[in-house]
Amino acid sequence: GAVVSQHPSRVICKSGTSVKIECRSLDFQATTMFWYRQFPKKSLMLMATSNEGSKATYEQGVEKDKFLINHASLTLSTLTVTSAHPEDSSFYICSARYYGRLADTQYFGPGTRLTVL
Amino acid sequence: GDSVTQMEGPVTLSEEAFLTINCTYTATGYPSLFWYVQYPGEGLQLLLKATKADDKGSNKGFEATYRKETTSFHLEKGSVQVSDSAVYFCALSDSGGGADGLTFGKGTHLIIQP
Repeated sequence: GAVVSQHPSRVICKSGTSVKIECRSLDFQATTMFWYRQFPKKSLMLMATSNEGSKATYEQGVEKDKFLINHASLTLSTLTVTSAHPEDSSFYICSARYYGRLADTQYFGPGTRLTVL
Repeated sequence: GDSVTQMEGPVTLSEEAFLTINCTYTATGYPSLFWYVQYPGEGLQLLLKATKADDKGSNKGFEATYRKETTSFHLEKGSVQVSDSAVYFCALSDSGGGADGLTFGKGTHLIIQP
């Protein structure tokens, strides 16, 4: 099946710094990618929808200026957590939309564990 | 808004036991329903889906039937194996699954003992 990668798999940073997370579709082009956040023992929460070549659409309650999303190519979307604070520590997961003749589905990356000290 | 409720685990079973993981949903329209599985260290994988009422999704011995009258999509398997140990997520989408973000339940950790 289609593969989606994320980099890094885990990152530790100091409070006040910015962190960039990459999401790549390795063997297909994805005009749409999604970013989710998962807290311990909680469900995945959709943060934003990223469309190639246009601005991301953020879910209610998600700060656009804090979570910057760039979908500059058909295989790469990035999430930058700006001025990170300990409450931003979480597991961030991306997915990429695969849209073909036989299927319209999302493939998920393995996630990135962010710890802010 | 939309929401998904599933039984919380961990659920521990012996090999070859019968499995049921309950999932109910709340949605304003007619959503598509999904079960995803996450094995340790891996990303979520689509296990099965159903797009309309009374549809049955099935894969790898797992089944789930879209019950509109009870707003449920319970996951079942007749005989589980140790390799089925994973976290299972019930989810819904207002589209067929690719165009919109998904609404997930909290996940059920399944542990199968030999």
